[in-house]
Amino acid sequence: GNSVTQMEGPVTLSEEAFLTINCTYTATGYPSLFWYVQYPGEGLQLLLKATKADDKGSNKGFEATYRKETTSFHLEKGSVQVSDSAVYFCALNSYTGGFKTIFGAGTRLFVKA
Amino acid sequence: GAGVSQSPRYKVAKRGQDVALRCDPISGHVSLFWYQQALGQGPEFLTYFQNEAQLDKSGLPSDRFFAERPEGSVSTLKIQRTQQEDSAVYLCASSLEGRTDTQYFGPGTRLTVL
Repeated sequence: GNSVTQMEGPVTLSEEAFLTINCTYTATGYPSLFWYVQYPGEGLQLLLKATKADDKGSNKGFEATYRKETTSFHLEKGSVQVSDSAVYFCALNSYTGGFKTIFGAGTRLFVKA
Repeated sequence: GAGVSQSPRYKVAKRGQDVALRCDPISGHVSLFWYQQALGQGPEFLTYFQNEAQLDKSGLPSDRFFAERPEGSVSTLKIQRTQQEDSAVYLCASSLEGRTDTQYFGPGTRLTVL
């Protein structure tokens, strides 16, 4: 079945460090891919998305490229801030057996000042 | 503007009790989703409404789980005879139109079954 695998956390970085959170997926067809972020005490919110191969989603300095050949959608940011501390979820829209959004397990990011 | 709200934010139930969790979606949003998020895991789909119609309930884990949205706005997720394995955060999300639109999530209700 369709699934999303992302790197385990927590990831701890110093401010201004480079961030990569790996995400790979298994899916039939051509799913849309998403990164959601959950800040402490808040609900999940969409960070960025890509709907077809080679698309790059970007928002708030984060970006991710839809790589069909490697079935990946890694999240990157060139210089993290303390305010980026949150849990990040990779997700896809699955159209197999009915439409649903499938989430990875989440990666917690801590950024130290 | 107001986002998706959920109540209560925390609920403690004794095993065997019934619980009801409420979701107020963004006004005018047609689609509404319920998810279950176990500790350390991502959300898992439970059920989907388009207006008042429950179009997909394939994710409900047992017949103890029941959801309704009688007037196409507020939704209630009811769990009967709660079990310890029901302990989780229950998330509600709404989208403006169809189920492929951007989903806006509420803060969740954390259910603990003792």
